[in-house]
Amino acid sequence: KQEVTQIPAALSVPEGENLVLNCSFTDSAIYNLQWFRQDPGKGLTSLLLIQSSQREQTSGRLNASLDKSSGRSTLYIAASQPGDSATYLCAVLNQAGTALIFGKGTTLSVSS
Amino acid sequence: GAVVSQHPSRVICKSGTSVKIECRSLDFQATTMFWYRQFPKQSLMLMATSNEGSKATYEQGVEKDKFLINHASLTLSTLTVTSAHPEDSSFYICALGGGYNEQFFGPGTRLTVL
Repeated sequence: KQEVTQIPAALSVPEGENLVLNCSFTDSAIYNLQWFRQDPGKGLTSLLLIQSSQREQTSGRLNASLDKSSGRSTLYIAASQPGDSATYLCAVLNQAGTALIFGKGTTLSVSS
Repeated sequence: GAVVSQHPSRVICKSGTSVKIECRSLDFQATTMFWYRQFPKQSLMLMATSNEGSKATYEQGVEKDKFLINHASLTLSTLTVTSAHPEDSSFYICALGGGYNEQFFGPGTRLTVL
């Protein structure tokens, strides 16, 4: 059974810092991996989607990497801003495309 | 991506009552919609897959008679929590797309059962 773990559970940084969020999964047979942002009491916003054949994806200050063989992904946020404060969720899609499994998330707080 | 709305965004009800949550696709015809539940500090967990014109598929451990799903059109799926109890209090989120395509999520509904 696929399990997704995110470390740390919470993170507080001052504005301007670069930071890394970690995601690990137990079954490397995935189709893709996706990073989402969730603001308090809100739905999910997709940030980056990495296909299993890809190593990384970039969007603005965000860079996500994928090492499928070791079951790990990282989300790198450059020059963090208070507006980046949110919970970041990692999710993997199984190869059959039938199950999207989420981690519990990392709650990020960026202080000005 | 697709735009998904949910109504209501927040609902408080008494124990034993039923609550209906609507999920609408505003710009996409969705043959499949997904219903997730998220307890505080927990992962989103898929409850069921809603298929237009047919019965929903429920995940293991989710009572189909308690969580009634209706997907009557390509733009609307509803989740009815019947005889709600405090342990049903949670954040319910719908999504559409799926399979090998990206899923697009609604803004969620916060249910509080007193």
